Formats: sequence, structure tokens, C-alpha cells
Amino acid sequence: AQKVTQAQTEISVVEKEDVTLDCVYETRDTTYYLFWYKQPPSGELVFLIRRNSFDEQNEISGRYSWNFQKSTSSFNFTITASQVVDSAVYFCALSPPSSASKIIFGSGTRLSIRP
Amino acid sequence: DAGITQSPRYKITETGRQVTLMCHQTWSHSYMFWYRQDLGHGLRLIYYSAAADITDKGEVPDGYVVSRSKTENFPLTLESATRSQTSVYFCASSEGMGLAVGEQFFGPGTRLTVL
Repeated sequence: AQKVTQAQTEISVVEKEDVTLDCVYETRDTTYYLFWYKQPPSGELVFLIRRNSFDEQNEISGRYSWNFQKSTSSFNFTITASQVVDSAVYFCALSPPSSASKIIFGSGTRLSIRP
Repeated sequence: DAGITQSPRYKITETGRQVTLMCHQTWSHSYMFWYRQDLGHGLRLIYYSAAADITDKGEVPDGYVVSRSKTENFPLTLESATRSQTSVYFCASSEGMGLAVGEQFFGPGTRLTVL
């Protein structure tokens, strides 16, 4: 069975602090994709990143970085020098490449950045 | 307008009534999806479609019906609405192949309340 766990339901930090959102996944597939999506207060969902299971290199995009570790089945997301605009619900997700439809979402982490 | 749109954005109905939520995308994406978002559950897939006239069940299909006669439209019908179907419904589309796997584009959502 496939499952994505985001144990942190809510996180609140002060602006400019670094914050890490945890994501742990379960799958029996040897190949799969992992994703992060952002849902700001306006409600729409925005795709942030996709990572292939064969690629364990960490990725950095501006203040965002992602740490993928197959050994611990984790795909954590770090925001450096957080800003109020980062306040949102963040979803981690998983899918097998054989079925683009079967994205399994975690329950989300609500991140609040206080000024 | 280009993109993916949903209508209505808000809907209040009564138990037992039939309700249809509309979804329209202008990208000619092959895949379309319906999710529901409930507190504590993240997003759960209701139905998806790989192409016109091809649909399949997701994680929580009971009580819902879909059709896809045209590539750009993917309506979701609640045949006899129940209170447990009170939720926010998101439609999404994706090319679903190759490098586009998992990169789903979401509509703004429809907030449905069943009294």
C-alpha cells in the first residue's frame, strides 16, 4: 500500500526563521515520483517540485530546498529565511510512474509565518 | 480564459438532491481528476479520466458519477447528495506523461455544503 505521512499538522515560526516540513512515505514500488504542492490562503494548489526515486540529489530553488533520502523514505522540505508569503498548507505526495493518476497526498502541514 | 475553471465556486444544497460540479480546461490535457479536500485527510481522489470517454475510480468514488464526452470538460455529479459529501472539490488536469507526470494543474475549487 502507498501512504504519505506528514506528521506536523501545524507549524508556526517567526519571519526569517528556517523551517523544515517533514514527509515520510511508504511504497512497494521500486520507482516512483514524489511531489510537493503548496496551497496558499487563496485556496488554489500550486505544484512546487517533482523528484524521481532514482534521483537522490538534493534540490535547491531560491529559499526552498528539498532533501530526499530513500534510506529513511523521507522527502523533507526546508524554507530558509521564511517570509509571511510562505504561509500556506503544504502537501507532500507520491505516485508510481506507471499511473500518472494515482497521486497519493499527505494530509498537509499548515505553515504560519508570523511577522 | 485560459487555464482550468470550476463552477460554481460555492454551492449549498439539500440532502437527496442531485448536484453537478463543472470543470473546464483549455490546455487539451489528456488527464483530468476530481479530488475532495477534507480537514485531516488532505486531498483524496474521487475519479479520474485518461482521455475522452475513459474514466476510472479513485480512492473515494461512492456516491459520485463522472463523464467525459469532450477532452476539455469533466463534470462531477452527486446523484443524491449526503451531508458527508460536504467538502471542497478540486478539479485538476495533467499531461500525465513523461516529464509532466504528476504536475497537475488545479482549479480554484468548489465549496459544497449539503444541509
